Amino acid sequence: AQTVTQSQPEMSVQEAETVTLSCTYDTSESNYYLFWYKQPPSRQMILVIRQEAYKQQNATENRFSVNFQKAAKSFSLKISDSQLGDTAMYFCAFLWDTDKLIFGTGTRLQVFP
Amino acid sequence: DAGVIQSPRHEVTEMGQEVTLRCKPISGHNSLFWYRQTMMRGLELLIYFNNNVPIDDSGMPEDRFSAKMPNASFSTLKIQPSEPRDSAVYFCASRTTTGFAGELFFGEGSRLTVL
Repeated sequence: AQTVTQSQPEMSVQEAETVTLSCTYDTSESNYYLFWYKQPPSRQMILVIRQEAYKQQNATENRFSVNFQKAAKSFSLKISDSQLGDTAMYFCAFLWDTDKLIFGTGTRLQVFP
Repeated sequence: DAGVIQSPRHEVTEMGQEVTLRCKPISGHNSLFWYRQTMMRGLELLIYFNNNVPIDDSGMPEDRFSAKMPNASFSTLKIQPSEPRDSAVYFCASRTTTGFAGELFFGEGSRLTVL
């Protein structure tokens, strides 16, 4: 069975600093996708960044980037130049060919001024 | 596009009552998902549909839960009878199965409180 683990329930960072959120997963699949979703206090889930497992290059979206280590089954999210609006719950998620998107338990990120 | 639309946004009911949550997916999306979010269990996939057909309902907790998708633009999740442990936020999400895999678009969720 596929599992996603986020070992950091809460993180905090000062505005303009960099923070890294951790995610590990377990699977026997070779072809899959990984995602980071953001859930602000408004509750809506928003896609932050995605990574295809067959791509070695790490995905980047503006201030957000990932460190994808396939052999280690690790998929961390780096947020550079943190902003107050980045305060949210962040969920790591895994998708394989069953169409099921499985989420980790989330990391609550607080950005302080 | 209006995005995924869910109703009601909040629902408070008493134990034993029937609850119906509604979802309108994004036009053109042919996959629809129902998730439940609680503090204890996080985000759980309850059921999903492809082209209005239920594909996997293994996450539906028990027979009190049922979901339907009578057409491409509407889905319901029903709980009958409701229990306090059903209190949670229920999310509906949709996506297209063409193009880049996996990007789900979520609604704003329906917060259910069962007293």
